[in-house]
Amino acid sequence: DAGVIQSPRHEVTEMGQEVTLRCKPISGHDYLFWYRQTMMRGLELLIYFNNNVPIDDSGMPEDRFSAKMPNASFSTLKIQPSEPRDSAVYFCASSQTSGSSEQYFGPGTRLTVT
Amino acid sequence: ILNVEQSPQSLHVQEGDSTNFTCSFPSSNFYALHWYRWETAKSPEALFVMTLNGDEKKKGRISATLNTKEGYSYLYIKGSQPEDSATYLCASGGSQGNLIFGKGTKLSVKP
Repeated sequence: DAGVIQSPRHEVTEMGQEVTLRCKPISGHDYLFWYRQTMMRGLELLIYFNNNVPIDDSGMPEDRFSAKMPNASFSTLKIQPSEPRDSAVYFCASSQTSGSSEQYFGPGTRLTVT
Repeated sequence: ILNVEQSPQSLHVQEGDSTNFTCSFPSSNFYALHWYRWETAKSPEALFVMTLNGDEKKKGRISATLNTKEGYSYLYIKGSQPEDSATYLCASGGSQGNLIFGKGTKLSVKP
């Protein structure tokens, strides 16, 4: 398996623009997680899905953030409109079953909003 | 303890030294404790997932212990090598893998 795939790897955009980050989890994994990494706050869980259904989005910072998982092999994280403070590395991870399963992280998307 | 805390923040050791780090987490409603290794310019990779009080896990020169009653876990590296240089993250998680991560311990091993 190719592992968790994320695209783009780098994104530079201007404030106010819409940004869409994409993730393909490992085939057969039931859980998908979106994280944000910043120097100040470390690695934070934004939202996670179980069998394509969003379970907890309490980590999503604002209404400008939304995430979808239309099928088992694809998820998006959208920021609209983007702001400079959204600049961070966004990771997607997947795991096979429950909380006792290790998570497999994608390479991340480095987002810069100017 | 409300958050996951890791200490020290950073650590510099010589090749061949043995070292250990601490992870403290809320002991109430505990489900699982994860350890990840994160090399610069890469993504976190799982080392261990532990669920039972008294659990001990080992992978090569790296091992971990878990005390769920007092809310701490130790990660040990025996005979550190330069390739062990990385940030080591621990995370406390719920039954669905919703993890709360610590800020990590950054280990540098000098040849």
